[in-house]
Amino acid sequence: EVQLVESGGGLVQPGRSLRLSCAASGFTFDDYAMHWVRQAPGKGLEWVSGISWNSGSIGYADSVKGRFTISRDNAKNSLYLQMNSLRAEDTALYYCAKGLAAAPGAFDIWGQGTMVTVSS
Amino acid sequence: EIVMTQSPATLSVSPGERATLSCRASQSVSSNLAWYQQKPGQAPRLLIYGASTRATGIPARFSGSGSGTEFTLTISSLQSEDFAVYYCQQYNNWPPNTFGQGTKLEIK
Repeated sequence: EVQLVESGGGLVQPGRSLRLSCAASGFTFDDYAMHWVRQAPGKGLEWVSGISWNSGSIGYADSVKGRFTISRDNAKNSLYLQMNSLRAEDTALYYCAKGLAAAPGAFDIWGQGTMVTVSS
Repeated sequence: EIVMTQSPATLSVSPGERATLSCRASQSVSSNLAWYQQKPGQAPRLLIYGASTRATGIPARFSGSGSGTEFTLTISSLQSEDFAVYYCQQYNNWPPNTFGQGTKLEIK
């Protein structure tokens, strides 16, 4: 079964850091681009960051650029998001998503998400 | 950054009827446009990519059209399970990928 499982979310104070992980299974992880997408409570979807299969191409939303770092470990079938200098507006459900082979910027598999709450 | 605008914000349609959802890009995204469906408490599900290609397992009642800046998602005969929020997303120039704000499809 193709599956993505996120972990690492929680309650964190403003200005602190958190690292999210996404464990992939059921597909050849290093063949695909991977992404993080977030959704604030009651709001729409916001793409956060994406990384190509070999980490050669990486991108960030302007809202997180300079604060968040995406990475992957193909040997461990894992995707990561290091989040520094967290703000209240980063509070959201963070999804890990797999890029489609035919269209790496479209997401055909999603995890169930991990909740990040930034509050004092 | 390319801005995606969806209309209407809410669409009320009766089961069995046709629903037409619109998405406009602030500049051309060619055919690099995807549609997603999201139900409460669930992750989004990919419906359409490449503006008109159905994703694996998506019923034929879902169809996508358009290119450049104007796109449409049509659901030909609404089933009860189709009432949800729908998002369009461009991936022509990423980063960033950008989503529209969503259209809520509700039962009339």
